[in-house]
Amino acid sequence: DTEVTQTPKHLVMGMTNKKSLKCEQHMGHRAMYWYKQKAKKPPELMFVYSYEKLSINESVPSRFSPECPNSSLLNLHLHALQPEDSALYLCASSQDTSTGMSQHFGDGTRLSIL
Amino acid sequence: ELKVEQNPLFLSMQEGKNYTIYCNYSTTSDRLYWYRQDPGKSLESLFVLLSNGAVKQEGRLMASLDTKARLSTLHITAAVHDLSATYFCAVDLLQGGSEKLVFGKGTKLTVNP
Repeated sequence: DTEVTQTPKHLVMGMTNKKSLKCEQHMGHRAMYWYKQKAKKPPELMFVYSYEKLSINESVPSRFSPECPNSSLLNLHLHALQPEDSALYLCASSQDTSTGMSQHFGDGTRLSIL
Repeated sequence: ELKVEQNPLFLSMQEGKNYTIYCNYSTTSDRLYWYRQDPGKSLESLFVLLSNGAVKQEGRLMASLDTKARLSTLHITAAVHDLSATYFCAVDLLQGGSEKLVFGKGTKLTVNP
């Protein structure tokens, strides 16, 4: 069982839909991350939140909008996505962003864009 | 720009054999991580290596870090089928005061009976 919970596990949406991915952790971690992983590729960092503030945005298109309502929750709002955005979206958390503690990953949301 | 190179990218080995996966990186970093990913699953943390000369072992896997050579190795001893998975190394890069992991391309390990 993972300590980082992501919902939904699977999501199919059209290019005009608006949906959100959710991530939750209760380990008291203060850093949370969104990654995108295409098939047979390594994860690519999208966003980093540190103490509920956005600290890294890896030049992600604005159709992806992250939100960190509190220290336990991380959302990724999706709007007007493209077929190439189909991928596994992974959320991770760590104690903070500078301790050298390993990131704990959720099981991911497998997203398909029609 | 930090580059992380793993080799081999594909490894097919027989049960009972030993092998090493290599992870080279291009800029100074004292922190390196190894993760395992099973097909369709998330990433499982295996090792965190935080200093030059660090060596950690868990079961049939042993990881080491040489920061001067910018090299980490993941050694597999007497492989068993259950070790079949993709293994990623990731190097820590501080950007804007926050940690950013840069992953290698991964090594897909297949252990055959």
